[in-house]
Amino acid sequence: NAGVTQTPKFRVLKTGQSMTLLCAQDMNHEYMYWYRQDPGMGLRLIHYSVGEGTTAKGEVPDGYNVSRLKKQNFLLGLESAAPSQTSVYFCASSSRVNQPQHFGDGTRLSIL
Amino acid sequence: DQQVKQNSPSLSVQEGRISILNCDYTNSMFDYFLWYKKYPAEGPTFLISISSIKDKNEDGRFTVFLNKSAKHLSLHIVPSQPGDSAVYFCAASVHNTNAGKSTFGDGTTLTVKP
Repeated sequence: NAGVTQTPKFRVLKTGQSMTLLCAQDMNHEYMYWYRQDPGMGLRLIHYSVGEGTTAKGEVPDGYNVSRLKKQNFLLGLESAAPSQTSVYFCASSSRVNQPQHFGDGTRLSIL
Repeated sequence: DQQVKQNSPSLSVQEGRISILNCDYTNSMFDYFLWYKKYPAEGPTFLISISSIKDKNEDGRFTVFLNKSAKHLSLHIVPSQPGDSAVYFCAASVHNTNAGKSTFGDGTTLTVKP
């Protein structure tokens, strides 16, 4: 049982480039979340999904887009990467509200 | 305005002693609280939770206390072990709303010395 898998684990981009981060969960969870964590700070919610085909904005959505075409996958896209988006990105899922979230091991993204 | 605050960035304790990690919140609507533990290069993992209808929840060496009037919760680890050395995040949410979204504190780095 892999839980939540994030790919890639590391990536370096140049300013203006685009990329997609993939999150896959095998627990049949309805809810999925994308967070970013900056040094010395907690997790800030970027976007989330309450089910297949749904997405919603979180606390810091600007510069990111998401899609949830399949229940098990939640994609995070950066259309035009900026140095301010250098961060560690975590994906999480949960079975329903007020259940603990299960996290992936993160994607470390550097934008030069 | 940060709604969940962990005012101590770091804490160091001796093996076998008690570790107490604190968390304050400002949003009185929060009624479900969780603690997560994070090792370097890994994602956070769930540790323990508490609903606002309780003031204490215990799981083995870990106990979470909730003081609603003070909007304060704490995590007690007894006895502390070197393997407990990690970053601990406090999180809060509003029950059955907001799609289970949690607001996280900035974390406290716990170091347990052998």
